[in-house]
Amino acid sequence: AQKVTQAQTEISVVEKEDVTLDCVYETRDTTYYLFWYKQPPSGELVFLIRRNSFDEQNEISGRYSWNFQKSTSSFNFTITASQVVDSAVYFCALSEAGGYQKVTFGTGTKLQVIP
Amino acid sequence: DTAVSQTPKYLVTQMGNDKSIKCEQNLGHDTMYWYKQDSKKFLKIMFSYNNKELIINETVPNRFSPKSPDKAHLNLHINSLELGDSAVYFCASSQDYQSYNEQFFGPGTRLTVL
Repeated sequence: AQKVTQAQTEISVVEKEDVTLDCVYETRDTTYYLFWYKQPPSGELVFLIRRNSFDEQNEISGRYSWNFQKSTSSFNFTITASQVVDSAVYFCALSEAGGYQKVTFGTGTKLQVIP
Repeated sequence: DTAVSQTPKYLVTQMGNDKSIKCEQNLGHDTMYWYKQDSKKFLKIMFSYNNKELIINETVPNRFSPKSPDKAHLNLHINSLELGDSAVYFCASSQDYQSYNEQFFGPGTRLTVL
């Protein structure tokens, strides 16, 4: 069975600080996909990134970067120079290949960026 | 143009009532989903439809009945509402049912059962 753990329930940082959101996953499949979604206070979940299990290259998109390490089953998300608009709940998610897509979400990390 | 829309945004009702939530996507996607998000923000899949056909049915009480009249619409009907049904219900869609597809979410429907 697949499982996603986001141990950090809530994080507060001061604007311009860097922050890393942790995500650890469990799966027996060798092919799977990892996602990050953002849920701002308005409520709608927004897709941020997808990674497949064969691509361990780190990814950077502006102030956002992701570190995927299969050896530790982790897919961590770093925001550099955080801004107030980054305040949201961030979800890490896992989908195993084969069959119909059934995404397992982590419990989310609430990030508060203080001005 | 909203990609995935849900109505109503808020729903307040008494225990025992029956209610429906509607969802529509204009992305041309084949697959749609219903999720329940509880008060602790835990997000769990309930149902998934691919081209009007039910493909995922998680352990959900049979008081919940989804209906997909066409691939752009997925509605959720709930009978005999209970206090524990209070949650935010999200509709989502994806290109198709393949595991690598990202999902596009609606704004959510906050259901409060009194």
